[in-house]
Amino acid sequence: DAGITQSPRHKVTETGTPVTLRCHQTENHRYMYWYRQDPGHGLRLIHYSYGVKDTDKGEVSDGYSVSRSKTEDFLLTLESATSSQTSVYFCAIGTVSNQPQHFGDGTRLSIL
Amino acid sequence: RKEVEQDPGPFNVPEGATVAFNCTYSNSASQSFFWYRQDCRKEPKLLMSVYSSGNEDGRFTAQLNRASQYISLLIRDSKLSDSATYLCVAEGSSNYQLIWGAGTKLIIKP
Repeated sequence: DAGITQSPRHKVTETGTPVTLRCHQTENHRYMYWYRQDPGHGLRLIHYSYGVKDTDKGEVSDGYSVSRSKTEDFLLTLESATSSQTSVYFCAIGTVSNQPQHFGDGTRLSIL
Repeated sequence: RKEVEQDPGPFNVPEGATVAFNCTYSNSASQSFFWYRQDCRKEPKLLMSVYSSGNEDGRFTAQLNRASQYISLLIRDSKLSDSATYLCVAEGSSNYQLIWGAGTKLIIKP
C-alpha cells in the first residue's frame, strides 16, 4: 500500500474550535489533495497542492485553509469549526496533475 | 443538474454474472475520466482510467461515449469481492478539476 497516513482518524469537537488534520506521505509525490465526502455527494475537493508552499482552492474551500511546508505533509485547518463541516475527510496523493492515485484511510470528523 | 451523475443502485447481481453501469457527465470538453471503487467505510481506490478507445483490465472494461457524454464500466464473471461502490470521475467545467459522482453500489450475491 502507498505510504500515506492521516491523523487523527476520528475526532469529535465543538462548534467554534479550531481543528487541524494532517496528511503525511512517504512517496515523495508532488500533488496532494484534501477532499470531503458526505452522503449523497461525490467527493468534493477542498484544497490541493502542487508543491511545497504551492496550494490552490478547490470546489468547497470556504472555511478551510491548508499549508504545505514540506513535501511530505499537507495540513488542513478548520479555523472555527461549524456543524456543516462534519464529514469524512480524505487526503490523496499523486504524481500527475489532477489524478489522485492513492488515498489515505480518512478522518471522521464530528462537529457538535 | 449535477456535473457527474450515477445511478446510486444498489445493483444486486448473482455471482458470475456480467454487470454494467453508466455515468453521465455534463462537461463536453472533459478529457479525463476515471473509475474508482470504494469499499464500505474505506478509502477510494483507483480502478482504471477511461480512454477514448475504451480499455480493458482483466474482467473490467471501461468505455467512453463522447456523443452521448457518458462512460461505462462493465464487469464480467463477477466475484463476491467486486461488491463495492463504484465512483465515476470526470473533469468539471471549472478549472477542469475532477468532479466525482456519488457512486453506484454493487452487491454480488452468492
